[in-house]
Amino acid sequence: EAQVTQNPRYLITVTGKKLTVTCSQNMNHEYMSWYRQDPGLGLRQIYYSMNVEATDKGDVPEGYKVSRKEKRNFPLILESPSPNQTSLYFCASSPGPGPSNNEQFFGPGTRLTVL
Amino acid sequence: DAKTTQPNSMESNEEEPVHLPCNHSTISGTDYIHWYRQLPSQGPEYVIHGLTSNVNNRMASLAIAEDRKSSTLILHRATLRDAAVYYCILIGGANRDDKIIFGKGTRLHILP
Repeated sequence: EAQVTQNPRYLITVTGKKLTVTCSQNMNHEYMSWYRQDPGLGLRQIYYSMNVEATDKGDVPEGYKVSRKEKRNFPLILESPSPNQTSLYFCASSPGPGPSNNEQFFGPGTRLTVL
Repeated sequence: DAKTTQPNSMESNEEEPVHLPCNHSTISGTDYIHWYRQLPSQGPEYVIHGLTSNVNNRMASLAIAEDRKSSTLILHRATLRDAAVYYCILIGGANRDDKIIFGKGTRLHILP
């Protein structure tokens, strides 16, 4: 089944403890992206990647890192999480040269709580 | 800031058509108009997209104004399952690496 998977789905952690949220797609998509969703603020893009070894900042990149060493995986790294990073995170992927003329496929989400 | 403007919420009766408006007065010539929806407790789901011409697919229709400064998502016969937040977003074609800004969307309530 074609899908975007995220792990973990739920995570409670403490301030300053490094964590990684994994994202994997099995559709051979070139474009991948991370979003966060907060009440009243909608979906905001954190980072995106047009292809392997090509990443760029979205609207709210502060406090996050990403890497794209292989096409299928796009992990989101929080080096030193803070409570304001408590949020619902979505990973997405899109075929071809990018999402402008293509559909984005979203993962099921990761709910992160930073105490 | 979001490049599109949508009503915060709308209501419609089940089995009736629904027209969801979106204004995007600063759209550039190469921006594609996309619609996504998010059902409760799920990730966003693609609905439809277009550039200049009206588009139809199995889920919905997209009507794009001639000047492209507004568009309307049409659900032809709403069901209770269509209750969701609908997002209208612009995604740049010329600059393929433009940031994507979702905004707050329109919360659609379907009345049985």
